[in-house]
Amino acid sequence: GENVEQHPSTLSVQEGDSAVIKCTYSDSASNYFPWYKQELGKRPQLIIDIRSNVGEKKDQRIAVTLNKTAKHFSLHITETQPEDSAVYFCAADYGQNFVFGPGTRLSVLP
Amino acid sequence: NAGVTQTPKFQVLKTGQSMTLQCAQDMNHEYMSWYRQDPGMGLRLIHYSVGAGITDQGEVPNGYNVSRSTTEDFPLRLLSAAPSQTSVYFCASSYRADTGELFFGEGSRLTVL
Repeated sequence: GENVEQHPSTLSVQEGDSAVIKCTYSDSASNYFPWYKQELGKRPQLIIDIRSNVGEKKDQRIAVTLNKTAKHFSLHITETQPEDSAVYFCAADYGQNFVFGPGTRLSVLP
Repeated sequence: NAGVTQTPKFQVLKTGQSMTLQCAQDMNHEYMSWYRQDPGMGLRLIHYSVGAGITDQGEVPNGYNVSRSTTEDFPLRLLSAAPSQTSVYFCASSYRADTGELFFGEGSRLTVL
């Protein structure tokens, strides 16, 4: 069935360290994998996405990697800052809709 | 552009009452959807629409109805509210159904007593 797993559920890092969040998906037909950031009390907002014809994409301190064979993709945040503290959701497209992972709460400690 | 507008932001209902959550977008997006967000469970799809006159069920459709009479509007109706429907609801729209950024509304926090 349609499923996206996400690990870890919570992650604490020291400011300046890197953070990695991993997701796996079940449908080999999925082609689009976005990541959303949700700050406390706010709406989710897209921070980066990747399509199946690309293995890696980078945007400043954020990068996403995709392994279609293994059906998993990861979010990498380098040089973390306090404003990176939020809940991060991965998602995969399943035809006409998106399925989201359960989220990772990232805390960046000063 | 206002983006995606949801109303109301907060609502308290008694068990058995009905209500409608309104959602409107001004970006001419074909795809619109409703999610509910519960602690530890991410965003679960309730209903979605790929264009005016077309709706379909998501992962958790029971107890909810939708309609899409125009491109702009996608209301979510709770037929007979239950405590299990206490949640935060998000409406989201996208230019394309399968690949493209989802734009979320601000969310509606619903409490059913």
